[in-house]
Amino acid sequence: QVQLVESGGGLVKPGGSLRLSCAASGFTFTDYYMSWIRQAPGKGLEWVSCISSNGRSIYSADSVKGRFSISRDNAKNSVFLLMNTLRADDTAMYYCARGGSVRWFDPWGQGTLVTVSS
Amino acid sequence: DIQMTQSPSSLSASVGDRVTITCRASQGISSWLAWYQQKPEKAPKSLIYAASSLQSGVPSRFSGSGSGTDFTLTISSLQPEDFATYYCQQYKSFPLTFGGGTKVEI
Repeated sequence: QVQLVESGGGLVKPGGSLRLSCAASGFTFTDYYMSWIRQAPGKGLEWVSCISSNGRSIYSADSVKGRFSISRDNAKNSVFLLMNTLRADDTAMYYCARGGSVRWFDPWGQGTLVTVSS
Repeated sequence: DIQMTQSPSSLSASVGDRVTITCRASQGISSWLAWYQQKPEKAPKSLIYAASSLQSGVPSRFSGSGSGTDFTLTISSLQPEDFATYYCQQYKSFPLTFGGGTKVEI
């Protein structure tokens, strides 16, 4: 079945870096845009970044531009989110999802928690 | 940016009730709208896409309608497993944006 599994979350100090990974299975990975979406504790959903099927087009929210970088490895059916200069307000559950450009998000992974704190 | 405004932010309902949630876009998005359900401590799940198309496996008591700027999610007969938070989302243009959510409580 179609499945997305995130990993790489954890506790990091302000100003630090973290790299999230998302492993996809059960569908033709190279046919789809992929996205990262986050949810701060007790808050709503915020789209973070999206990458095209061939990796050539990238879109990001203003709140993370210049700090976060999305990438993908189509040979390994994986998408990544490199997060630099992390701030306390980046603390959230980070979800990987299939979709982004003219496609809704389905499915979603189970999420990986990122906590930015000293 | 396209702003998505949901109402109400929360509602109380009983099993068997008909529930309606509305979502308004700050500019026209045609039918590029999805609805998601999220239960506590779980990832969101797609319910409706293209404003009115039911995601495979989703019960038929869920339905969506609307186009342009005004959209509606309807649950025809609320079931115990439907108590959750619901979000709308536009995917017409970047940045992709979500509504603030509607919490459906007992």
